Amino acid sequence: GAGVSQSPSNKVTEKGKDVELRCDPISGHTALYWYRQSLGQGLEFLIYFQGNSAPDKSGLPSDRFSAERTGGSVSTLTIQRTQQEDSAVYLCASSFTGGPEAFFGQGTRLTVV
Amino acid sequence: GDSVTQMEGPVTLSEEAFLTINCTYTATGYPSLFWYVQYPGEGLQLLLKATKADDKGSNKGFEATYRKETTSFHLEKGSVQVSDSAVYFCALSEGAGTALIFGKGTTLSVSS
Repeated sequence: GAGVSQSPSNKVTEKGKDVELRCDPISGHTALYWYRQSLGQGLEFLIYFQGNSAPDKSGLPSDRFSAERTGGSVSTLTIQRTQQEDSAVYLCASSFTGGPEAFFGQGTRLTVV
Repeated sequence: GDSVTQMEGPVTLSEEAFLTINCTYTATGYPSLFWYVQYPGEGLQLLLKATKADDKGSNKGFEATYRKETTSFHLEKGSVQVSDSAVYFCALSEGAGTALIFGKGTTLSVSS
């Protein structure tokens, strides 16, 4: 596609439920990143993929968070047993391996009630 | 670890005023530096970048110079417009395949 696509754009879920957030990167981009944007917290790095492997998952806040990438393309971020503090905008970005410049999707706004 | 510190907002200016948003960084290597902008209701987009010391990035009237001696990458614009109202993020990357590390963002509000 022309840009990074994320779905859903908005998600409201009940506390304790699991959610899956999807990211379709720009075609040909081998690097993929997930960030979380919370009010007053700026942009928090969660995980980085190079191809299908994740050499840096140091930003995942707890073991309730996991992510996978398949076919070197689509990625899914899963949050299990959601908590209210998980409410945030989750951003995905992708880039060519050869450069650090990243292109961002519009994000998924997650609200845990 | 690497980090980015940028001035707290919000910054409120009148149209045609001069803008400076300060950004300093801590890095182990020689990072590339970026300014990203997030307009209301839109996603983050790259505003400008600089990849080595003394490089100046520029775009849409904005400029920032990579200062290794002061570990800074301050964003400037000579005459802001109402349409520049947005959140501005300073960021660094140690190289290809490494995560972008962001500052907390600075909200700019420009009034006519």
